[in-house]
Amino acid sequence: DTAVSQTPKYLVTQMGNDKSIKCEQNLGHDTMYWYKQDSKKFLKIMFSYNNKELIINETVPNRFSPKSPDKAHLNLHINSLELGDSAVYFCASSPTGVREQYFGPGTRLTVT
Amino acid sequence: SQQGEEDPQALSIQEGENATMNCSYKTSINNLQWYRQNSGRGLVHLILIRSNEREKHSGRLRVTLDTSKKSSSLLITASRAADTASYFCATDGSWTGKLIFGQGTTLQVKP
Repeated sequence: DTAVSQTPKYLVTQMGNDKSIKCEQNLGHDTMYWYKQDSKKFLKIMFSYNNKELIINETVPNRFSPKSPDKAHLNLHINSLELGDSAVYFCASSPTGVREQYFGPGTRLTVT
Repeated sequence: SQQGEEDPQALSIQEGENATMNCSYKTSINNLQWYRQNSGRGLVHLILIRSNEREKHSGRLRVTLDTSKKSSSLLITASRAADTASYFCATDGSWTGKLIFGQGTTLQVKP
């Protein structure tokens, strides 16, 4: 299936741990994004890569580090997890010149 | 800071009725987009309207844009139970493709 996929779908971990979320798109898109959606459904951009180059880096703690090994993958690594990091994280992608974005199913992160 | 404000926050209607959601924003935009999110799922793009357009249709969806008032509306006609979801407006105002989302309208369509 052509899509944006994320792993894992659910992630439960303790404070202080380090975790990664992976995203892959097989749509041939050049740009990928990470969003955070909080418990009130507020969705906020975190990072964006275009052809492996970081183009959006919002004000997020430097415990969050994105990595794009190639233009089909954008991973999110989070160090020293905190309770406030609990949220749903969405990956998205879009082709160059086309502004609509295609979202993955989300990763629900729960920090205890 | 969040740009989009949506109104109402929640809307409950009967199947067959029309649903209207409104979105206001603060700065200039290249385009405005509407997305749907079903419970526990990712967002799905519905429609994009460019800053030089005033109205756009797609199936049962009608979107209007008033750049002088910095507002947009999404009309869903002849609603169905399957339209039950949260609807978000998102503004695109930069070359990066960065979208700024509103807080969404939760629509419930009762059979």
